[in-house]
Amino acid sequence: EVHLVESGGGLVEPGGSLRLSCAASGFPFSAAYMGWVRQAPGKGLEWVGRVKSKGAGGTVDYAAPVKSRFTISRDDSKNVLYLQVDSLRTEDTAIYYCTWEVPEGAFGSWGQGTLVTVSS
Amino acid sequence: EIVLTQSPGTLSLSPGERATLSCRASQSLGTHYLAWYQQKPGQAPRALIYGASHRASGVPDRFSGSGSGTDFTLTISRLAPEDFAVYYCQHYDTSRFTFGPGTKVDIK
Repeated sequence: EVHLVESGGGLVEPGGSLRLSCAASGFPFSAAYMGWVRQAPGKGLEWVGRVKSKGAGGTVDYAAPVKSRFTISRDDSKNVLYLQVDSLRTEDTAIYYCTWEVPEGAFGSWGQGTLVTVSS
Repeated sequence: EIVLTQSPGTLSLSPGERATLSCRASQSLGTHYLAWYQQKPGQAPRALIYGASHRASGVPDRFSGSGSGTDFTLTISRLAPEDFAVYYCQHYDTSRFTFGPGTKVDIK
């Protein structure tokens, strides 16, 4: 069974940083395309970014609002996905979900999410 | 940049009724890379449909997806009590993913 478990969220002041983690199990992580989707309180879903498998080149893509501030990385030896979030803004307040991308460009599995609150 | 529009914003129906949800794209998507998700309050989204019409594993057959080009539909043939939720469509294109704003299906 696929499990994605996020951690690392919390309360941070504007301009601050956090590192979110996603521990994965139940599927071949090293071959997987992994990503992050966020959801602001009471709002819809917003794609954050994605990293391809190393076998596919390990390319990382980001949504425009987070490019240059957020960094996605992966540790295939530990089956962990990371999201480094820097220069945080109040509008980055959201639940951040870890996702496993399946063929056809869809998100086949989701973690339970970790809440990031940016406030002074 | 492709924009997805979902309608209606809210659909009020009774259990047992048929639900028809629309997702319209600003440009043609073909039949690929269009997915549907269900999200219940306090829960993570769950994948329902991939590739416009293929049900994800474990999804009941009362859920079906159809469409091509710019117009896509998610149909729930007979609403079960657990189907009242928010539904999102999503598209993938050239390293970018886009979600629609969602349709809330609530109990009439």
